[in-house]
Amino acid sequence: LAKTTQPISMDSYEGQEVNITCSHNNIATNDYITWYQQFPSQGPRFIIQGYKTKVTNEVASLFIPADRKSSTLSLPRVSLSDTAVYYCLVGGGSSASKIIFGSGTRLSIRP
Amino acid sequence: GAGVSQTPSNKVTEKGKYVELRCDPISGHTALYWYRQSLGQGPEFLIYFQGTGAADDSGLPNDRFFAVRPEGSVSTLKIQRTERGDSAVYLCASSPISGGTLDTQYFGPGTRLTVL
Repeated sequence: LAKTTQPISMDSYEGQEVNITCSHNNIATNDYITWYQQFPSQGPRFIIQGYKTKVTNEVASLFIPADRKSSTLSLPRVSLSDTAVYYCLVGGGSSASKIIFGSGTRLSIRP
Repeated sequence: GAGVSQTPSNKVTEKGKYVELRCDPISGHTALYWYRQSLGQGPEFLIYFQGTGAADDSGLPNDRFFAVRPEGSVSTLKIQRTERGDSAVYLCASSPISGGTLDTQYFGPGTRLTVL
């Protein structure tokens, strides 16, 4: 099972770009990389998913280098409402048991 | 449309009691997951249903935990002889396709279980 390593916490300010990097050295060929966001007292919410290179949606961008051993979630121009825990997941296929959330990165945005 | 709902939102019980936690997935979603989340930790996988059957229950910690999904929609997580260590937030998620990380999981708000 591919495990992930993320920073425990990060701080930033409103209007800044925030980049959260996740290491997944044992990623398998058929694994995808997925990021979720979780606010207090809520369940996680899907942000973005990718396999290689770059993926962008209305919320974030995901950068994946050629070796796929890491990935970076990029949040442009953060606001106070982006304060949350962000989880990097690696897995794929049909077995949900391969989904491991880890402890996530606690992102705090200051005015 | 309606999201995943879970009831009750909070449950307080005494050690040794039996509890049932309910999950109503998004209509039409075939895959349903249960997770347990302790304070400061990420969600921990418990069990995954594809339709009515448990496709993967490898995350259930012991035989006190059991889950059913008899008609392929609503699911109930059952915990017998509760212990203080069972205290956590129990999250349910559903996805429209077959399960696994490729499919977006839609989470409910969770049930906070406290065992006194």
